[in-house]
Amino acid sequence: AQKITQTQPGMFVQEKEAVTLDCTYDTSDPSYGLFWYKQPSSGEMIFLIYQGSYDQQNATEGRYSLNFQKARKSANLVISASQLGDSAMYFCAMRAAMNSGGSNYKLTFGKGTLLTVNP
Amino acid sequence: DSGVTQTPKHLITATGQRVTLRCSPRSGDLSVYWYQQSLDQGLQFLIQYYNGEERAKGNILERFSAQQFPDLHSELNLSSLELGDSALYFCASSGLGVTGNTIYFGEGSWLTVV
Repeated sequence: AQKITQTQPGMFVQEKEAVTLDCTYDTSDPSYGLFWYKQPSSGEMIFLIYQGSYDQQNATEGRYSLNFQKARKSANLVISASQLGDSAMYFCAMRAAMNSGGSNYKLTFGKGTLLTVNP
Repeated sequence: DSGVTQTPKHLITATGQRVTLRCSPRSGDLSVYWYQQSLDQGLQFLIQYYNGEERAKGNILERFSAQQFPDLHSELNLSSLELGDSALYFCASSGLGVTGNTIYFGEGSWLTVV
């Protein structure tokens, strides 16, 4: 079974500081992908960053980086130089096979972390 | 703009009614996913289609059905609606085939059942 765990229901950070949002996962599929999404109060789900299980380097996208520790099954999101507009719900998600044949996939989400950036 | 288009953005309907949610994936994406987001259940995977074929099924109720058409747009049909079906319904699409590493979501359809 696939599982994503986000242990921080809420986080606070000061503007311009860096923040790390935690995510651990569990899957028996050797080929999987890890995603982070941002959901502001308006509701849309915004794709931030992707890390493949075979990628050797940690993914980076602008101020977002993914701290991928495969042995520990963790995929933490680091946001550098936080901005007020970063205040939102952040979801970690994993795409993995639903069956042993690996032909059917689904994206499993964690419960999310509500990030508040203080001025 | 993710390139995934969902309509309608908001709808209010009565219990027992039926609604259809529509999704147009990003240009070139063959996979479409449907998700339901509610306060108590979080984000729940409903179903996935790839190039017109159903590929994966999640916690989709029997009252719900979906399909993907030859032009790759998808529809999610919700029937015999109950109050508990009130939620935000997302469509997402992905490229690079079934194992696409970019999965983009539409803005969602807010459904309120009264």
